[in-house]
Amino acid sequence: GAVVSQHPSWVICKSGTSVKIECRSLDFQATTMFWYRQFPKQSLMLMATSNEGSKATYEQGVEKDKFLINHASLTLSTLTVTSAHPEDSSFYICSARLAGYVEQYFGPGTRLTVT
Amino acid sequence: QQPVQSPQAVILREGEDAVINCSSSKALYSVHWYRQKHGEAPVFLMILLKGGEQKGHEKISASFNEKKQQSSLYLTASQLSYSGTYFCGTEGAYNFNKFYFGSGTKLNVKP
Repeated sequence: GAVVSQHPSWVICKSGTSVKIECRSLDFQATTMFWYRQFPKQSLMLMATSNEGSKATYEQGVEKDKFLINHASLTLSTLTVTSAHPEDSSFYICSARLAGYVEQYFGPGTRLTVT
Repeated sequence: QQPVQSPQAVILREGEDAVINCSSSKALYSVHWYRQKHGEAPVFLMILLKGGEQKGHEKISASFNEKKQQSSLYLTASQLSYSGTYFCGTEGAYNFNKFYFGSGTKLNVKP
């Protein structure tokens, strides 16, 4: 149980275009989802926390107009990278948590390359 | 906010032991430990919630000190499969749903 999927696994896009990444909890209802970004050889950095039905809370330094997060249902959160630039190329990982539980379950990650 | 993790890297021979430390300047609600292989998402190892708690699974164990500001991960009789980067993730006692990872410890187990 407690499986989180991400789609796509990898994506290559041109500079200036937008990319949407989906994060789904497959067998549980995720009241909270987290989005992280990881650059090569670096740690995971929390980008934002989203609760179902409410606006995401962004970490300092993360542009909310550039990284649009929608947590529309208890099983789906999406991250849209708008007007992507090469410096947005990174490994994006989501995780999900059920209300009242401490554990968070990670998706397999999405590797974004902007050319 | 980000916990301090040490050492940055460790090289071991199979069968040797290692300790990885994770510390925060503030009291924590929980400490989570993960192992990440290159190009993959982190894999959950364990969570510690209570001050003074120690827990383990097979030859990997962890402790959380009484003040809940420092945790250590113990790898005993290391195996080749233990190689990877280990991260601690912390959640503040007064900052729930804010989760920060340490800088990581790269462990390389050689035959």
